Amino acid sequence: AQKITQTQPGMFVQEKEAVTLDCTYDTSDQSYGLFWYKQPSSGEMIFLIYQGSYDEQNATEGRYSLNFQKARKSANLVISASQLGDSAMYFCAMREGISGGSYIPTFGRGTSLIVHP
Amino acid sequence: DGGITQSPKYLFRKEGQNVTLSCEQNLNHDAMYWYRQDPGQGLRLIYYSQIVNDFQKGDIAEGYSVSREKKESFPLTVTSAQKNPTAFYLCASSIVRSGGAKNIQYFGAGTRLSVL
Repeated sequence: AQKITQTQPGMFVQEKEAVTLDCTYDTSDQSYGLFWYKQPSSGEMIFLIYQGSYDEQNATEGRYSLNFQKARKSANLVISASQLGDSAMYFCAMREGISGGSYIPTFGRGTSLIVHP
Repeated sequence: DGGITQSPKYLFRKEGQNVTLSCEQNLNHDAMYWYRQDPGQGLRLIYYSQIVNDFQKGDIAEGYSVSREKKESFPLTVTSAQKNPTAFYLCASSIVRSGGAKNIQYFGAGTRLSVL
């Protein structure tokens, strides 16, 4: 079974509007971390935001926020006030466990976001 | 500026040829990683290293080899045994810390490998 599921292969949003990119995860660990990365057409993966499983508040970084619903195992990325430069692939990733692990995250297949002027 | 440098940006491989992708970091990170990305796919782990002179296979290590002789460098060799090497290759690095730490991975700009 996939550990990270991103069900939206492509999303479109109007400039200045908000958009939510979905991510669900599967783990039996109590301690884990969730990440979102942005990959523009240039190819580099850019870290956006992190949520720890024990964090009580949703993470926020500027226009990015993570809607963390632990019981539903969902970690959706919300981008407020979209900009043309937000057009890119977005990847959700999860790192499981803290005991003796290699801390290697597992990545989802990504969602392509296109922002229209 | 601190960061991760991958070279070359584009690489072409002939049949039966080994090629080496370079990855250098000046972030003083202990861990380094190599990923392969195919169109429409997420990242798949090839190899990783958490300390100099030690490395482990990832999910798709067959046909690849690595070395970690210096903390700053983690080159990846795509051998002739890798029959389908055309892909985008990303190198990353991170700190190594236990106890639920973030251990955020930082990535290079990637190398696009094609077969002639």
